[in-house]
Amino acid sequence: DAMVIQNPRYQVTQFGKPVTLSCSQTLNHNVMYWYQQKSSQAPKLLFHYYDKDFNNEADTPDNFQSRRPNTSFCFLDIRSPGLGDAAMYLCATSGHSGGLYNEQFFGPGTRLTVL
Amino acid sequence: GQNIDQPTEMTATEGAIVQINCTYQTSGFNGLFWYQQHAGEAPTFLSYNVLDGLEEKGRFSSFLSRSKGYSYLLLKELQMKDSASYLCAVREGNDMRFGAGTRLTVKP
Repeated sequence: DAMVIQNPRYQVTQFGKPVTLSCSQTLNHNVMYWYQQKSSQAPKLLFHYYDKDFNNEADTPDNFQSRRPNTSFCFLDIRSPGLGDAAMYLCATSGHSGGLYNEQFFGPGTRLTVL
Repeated sequence: GQNIDQPTEMTATEGAIVQINCTYQTSGFNGLFWYQQHAGEAPTFLSYNVLDGLEEKGRFSSFLSRSKGYSYLLLKELQMKDSASYLCAVREGNDMRFGAGTRLTVKP
């Protein structure tokens, strides 16, 4: 089945210790997104890629970086996690048609705990 | 920028009908999406409206009025498994912004 996969599902890190979250997709979609979602809040877009074209949101902290080495994989790097970075991190993909991005397909998320 | 407003919580009875409203303010509206999110899980796509009117998909329907900046999601014949958060998301250009979601509880 075509899908979006995130590993690991649960990640524990220490304050200030770099951590990388992974996302892969078998949908062959051009667009990949990273969202941060805290409890009872809306998913907050951090950045997205259209192919290799990186689009950062204006309010995404510099602490968050991303890499997309190929169509299938995308990584979220948190350079120095703080307690406020504990959240669910959602990866999503979408195709596009007529110049517009279509509906998004989400992975199961990685829940990050910062100790 | 966008303001997307939804009620925080709603409760309904199994077998009933519930309507979840979403109002938004945006410049450059380019479509409205509804997603379902069960606790601890990722959102899943439910419906998409870009023109005014009603889109029906089984037990779920979604309505849009662009002039009023208003949409609703209608859930019929509610089932216990429909207990979840329902997220309204507005596309402006190619930027998608989510509301905080409405937590629906379905009671027997």
